[in-house]
Amino acid sequence: GNSVTQMEGPVTLSEEAFLTINCTYTATGYPSLFWYVQYPGEGLQLLLKATKADDKGSNKGFEATYRKETTSFHLEKGSVQVSDSAVYFCALRGSSNTGKLIFGQGTTLQVKP
Amino acid sequence: GAGVSQSPRYKVTKRGQDVALRCDPISGHVSLYWYRQALGQGPEFLTYFNYEAQQDKSGLPNDRFSAERPEGSISTLTIQRTEQRDSAMYRCASSSGGPNEQFFGPGTRLTVL
Repeated sequence: GNSVTQMEGPVTLSEEAFLTINCTYTATGYPSLFWYVQYPGEGLQLLLKATKADDKGSNKGFEATYRKETTSFHLEKGSVQVSDSAVYFCALRGSSNTGKLIFGQGTTLQVKP
Repeated sequence: GAGVSQSPRYKVTKRGQDVALRCDPISGHVSLYWYRQALGQGPEFLTYFNYEAQQDKSGLPNDRFSAERPEGSISTLTIQRTEQRDSAMYRCASSSGGPNEQFFGPGTRLTVL
């Protein structure tokens, strides 16, 4: 079945450092891929998405490219801020278009000033 | 312009009791999803509805769990004869259908003593 694997956290960075959070997936067909973010005390929010191979999703300085050949969707940001401290979830939606999401286990990011 | 709301936000119950968790989706959203999130894990799909029809309940862990959405709006997730292993965050999400973005509520934190 479909699954998502994320790098384990927590990830601790200094402000302005480069961020990469790895995400790989297993799926049949052509899934859509997502990154969700959960800030402290808040609910899950969609950060970015990509719906087909080689698409790049981007938002708030974050980027991720849908790589079918490596089944990956790594999240990157060139210069993190303290306000980026949150839990990040990689997720996929299978090609059946039911909307059902399958999430990775989440990666906690802490950015220190 | 309210988002998805869930009630109660926190529920503490004793083992063996029944609980009902409520989700009020964004007005007009046809699809409604329930997920369960254990501590330190990503959300796990439970079930979803299009309008009042339950389309997929493959994620419900056993027959103590049930959900309904009788008028195609508010949904209730019911857990009968609760067990300690049911303790988790229960999240609801709604969307305008199919592949469209899911908007998540704040969740209900269930603790079974």
